[in-house]
Amino acid sequence: EAGVTQFPSHSVIEKGQTVTLRCDPISGHDNLYWYRRVMGKEIKFLLHFVKESKQDESGMPNNRFLAERTGGTYSTLKVQPAELEDSGVYFCASSQDGGAETQYFGPGTRLLVL
Amino acid sequence: QKEVEQNSGPLSVPEGAIASLNCTYSDRGSQSFFWYRQYSGKSPELIMSIYSNGDKEDGRFTAQLNKASQYVSLLIRDSQPSDSATYLCAAQTGANNLFFGTGTRLTVIP
Repeated sequence: EAGVTQFPSHSVIEKGQTVTLRCDPISGHDNLYWYRRVMGKEIKFLLHFVKESKQDESGMPNNRFLAERTGGTYSTLKVQPAELEDSGVYFCASSQDGGAETQYFGPGTRLLVL
Repeated sequence: QKEVEQNSGPLSVPEGAIASLNCTYSDRGSQSFFWYRQYSGKSPELIMSIYSNGDKEDGRFTAQLNKASQYVSLLIRDSQPSDSATYLCAAQTGANNLFFGTGTRLTVIP
């Protein structure tokens, strides 16, 4: 069974540009989560999808971040315009039943904003 | 105040020794607690979960929870070089999202 995949693995952009991160969850997993780890800080929750609906987006830092999950399969996280403080590792996780015990994490996208 | 706090380390132990990793949390409403292992550049991998006070053992790993003291720990017995990684403590409250600590880097010296 394929795991959670994320694309790209690395992205280097300039301040003010737009970047779109993609997450493909494990097939059949209705729950999809986005997390972010800023350098030196802890991994922080961003938002949670159940199928195509946003269940909880309380962790989204500001309106420069837009997450979508059209069709309830893969998800995208767009940052527009990117700022220096957006640099970090963005993780995606998926689970079948929504419990933390069954959240499987992807390898992350390392974003560097210059 | 951070939701979950860990000593960032690094923690170094000799091969065969017991590694003790500690974590405290601030939200008394937290119900579930998890330990993840993360190798450099890789995704976090769940290794232990604990929900009630006391100890939970799984192979060389023992998780301990004390809700009165808001304290969670992970013991790794007979530490191996392959255990060298960053260990993340996480707590879950009513929602399904997780609150993570910053992680403790463990190095097992052969």
